[in-house]
Amino acid sequence: DVKVTQSSRYLVKRTGEKVFLECVQDMDHENMFWYRQDPGLGLRLIYFSYDVKMKEKGDIPEGYSVSREKKERFSLILESASTNQTSMYLCASSLPPRGSNQPQHFGDGTRLSIL
Amino acid sequence: AQKITQTQPGMFVQEKEAVTLDCTYDTSDPSYGLFWYKQPSSGEMIFLIYQGSYDQQNATEGRYSLNFQKARKSANLVISASQLGDSAMYFCAMRLVQKLVFGQGTRLTINP
Repeated sequence: DVKVTQSSRYLVKRTGEKVFLECVQDMDHENMFWYRQDPGLGLRLIYFSYDVKMKEKGDIPEGYSVSREKKERFSLILESASTNQTSMYLCASSLPPRGSNQPQHFGDGTRLSIL
Repeated sequence: AQKITQTQPGMFVQEKEAVTLDCTYDTSDPSYGLFWYKQPSSGEMIFLIYQGSYDQQNATEGRYSLNFQKARKSANLVISASQLGDSAMYFCAMRLVQKLVFGQGTRLTINP
């Protein structure tokens, strides 16, 4: 089974701090994704990466950056955390969509609170 | 613009009844995929079922089936013989190239 591991289930940080969320997958997937989930809004894509050192902006990249130095690891960085970044963050990975039927596999999520 | 709409914020169903969760989508791309995910209260997203835009048959996976009506741009999830463990958030998602676009979700509660 695919395993996507996020480093923390719960995290509390202060406004202005630099925050790192880490994600590791063990299935040699090329694609990795970061989403945030807010009630009533579903999941919204922040950034994704389809190869090492490659990244693409998603729908809501403002205030975030990412790093992918190794294939199995994709990090989300909040450069200067703000209270409106309090949310559930979900990492996912997948194979490239050959035939489109490759599902994304998700981690358990990190519930981040910015005080 | 590509968009997924789930119009049912919450649903309550008696155990053992069938339930249909609605999903409509909007895209001008002829090639796309539709996914359903389940999110229990523990938070993980569990892949349930997939339907490709060129698939002729409706997808089925155990108690899950997808009622795909391409002309109406709908991809409703049907759960047969619901169980208490089916209580969760359910998300419909559409794949466009590499990305998934998610709907707002439906919270399903199964009553004993």
